[in-house]
Amino acid sequence: QSVLTQPPSASGTPGQRVTISCSGSSSNIGSNYVYWYQQFPGAAPKLLIYRNDQRPSGVPDRFSGSKSGTSASLAISGLRSEDEADYYCAARDDSLSGRVFGGGTKVTVL
Amino acid sequence: EVRMVESGGGSVQPGGSLRLSCAVYGFTFSSYWMHWVRQAPGKGLVWVSHIISDGTRTSYADSVKGRFTISRDNAKNTLYLQMNSLRADDTAVYYCAVLSSGSDFDLWGRGTLVTVSS
Repeated sequence: QSVLTQPPSASGTPGQRVTISCSGSSSNIGSNYVYWYQQFPGAAPKLLIYRNDQRPSGVPDRFSGSKSGTSASLAISGLRSEDEADYYCAARDDSLSGRVFGGGTKVTVL
Repeated sequence: EVRMVESGGGSVQPGGSLRLSCAVYGFTFSSYWMHWVRQAPGKGLVWVSHIISDGTRTSYADSVKGRFTISRDNAKNTLYLQMNSLRADDTAVYYCAVLSSGSDFDLWGRGTLVTVSS
């Protein structure tokens, strides 16, 4: 059972917009930055969003993050086949004195 | 080139021990907090432990507290994870990582597989 809650799966057709939610609490999302990671099978995770809504250089602007209260979301607009991957949210948890991750959402491009 | 390389994984019987290492290249290791994150086969990411930049403070997930010890040698640019009393549910790929703390610097190794089985 992950501390942050994500839907296990999401899907869309090419060009569509897909949104992934991430629900936490006051000790993690409510008081700290949210990060999003993309992971392909057999590969290490890659940072997609930092500080709630910032994209590292090289990440397409099709990816956007937002946060409100104790929840956050990742949106992928103009969905492409190469976006098919697992996506994880993460945040620091002040009660646990460490990082917490969501359970991951597998995005399928139909 | 900025990279991190884990080593030390392998197969071990329940109750056994392993020591993972993570060699760091291309950035100032001593400036960053370092983390271990694991991923069981087919499962999600789970934070395991972190150590602050000078090595004086550490933190652990409840599932490994008292069994795992994180340490670092800033002179050797190397991070360690001593794992004792290993259990089957410790089976996972273990990643060393610099996790972003508000900046876009976030770096992961390729991971090393630890299998605990009799």
